Amino acid sequence: GQQLNQSPQSMFIQEGEDVSMNCTSSSIFNTWLWYKQEPGEGPVLLIALYKAGELTSNGRLTAQFGITRKDSFLNISASIPSDVGIYFCAGPRGTGGFKTIFGAGTRLFVKA
Amino acid sequence: GAVVSQHPSRVICKSGTSVKIECRSLDFQATTMFWYRQFPKQSLMLMATSNEGSKATYEQGVEKDKFLINHASLTLSTLTVTSAHPEDSSFYICSARDRGPTEAFFGQGTRLTVV
Repeated sequence: GQQLNQSPQSMFIQEGEDVSMNCTSSSIFNTWLWYKQEPGEGPVLLIALYKAGELTSNGRLTAQFGITRKDSFLNISASIPSDVGIYFCAGPRGTGGFKTIFGAGTRLFVKA
Repeated sequence: GAVVSQHPSRVICKSGTSVKIECRSLDFQATTMFWYRQFPKQSLMLMATSNEGSKATYEQGVEKDKFLINHASLTLSTLTVTSAHPEDSSFYICSARDRGPTEAFFGQGTRLTVV
């Protein structure tokens, strides 16, 4: 089906550590999106990837669009306490790719 | 990024009453708007997709008569939860996008509590 499998489910790390999370699917995606959601807020777009093999950075965040178009990863370098939140991968689905479906999310906890 | 404003951010209502949630795109024309529901510690589940001036398309299992969606203009969509029950308590989030395969931007969400 059109599911996004995201892992890990949660991560507990020390401030300063690097973080890596990934998303896989049995279906091909033409776009991969990475969002961050903080408690009581809507998701905020971090990085959008449009091309297989693309590697894009946004500050300490780096994301890559897998060459098979069935996976993507997000790395956060030198984590800080404000990185705490839920990170979702997402991708377009449905006719014309107008719907956006989400992975289950990775909960990140950063200890100062 | 583009700004999507959702109102109210929190609402408490009595069981049996109806609640309306507004979603506005402030600096772009939202050709398509999406409504999601999120339970605690879970991901966002798409409820429906609405295009300006036409009827919303609901996902399987979502009752269209219970969750009324109106997208009357290019900057406003509303979700009305009718005859709300405690099990409707959830975090409702809208997102909006312009034409073409562009990414959608999200509102701040509405925490609905039905007592």
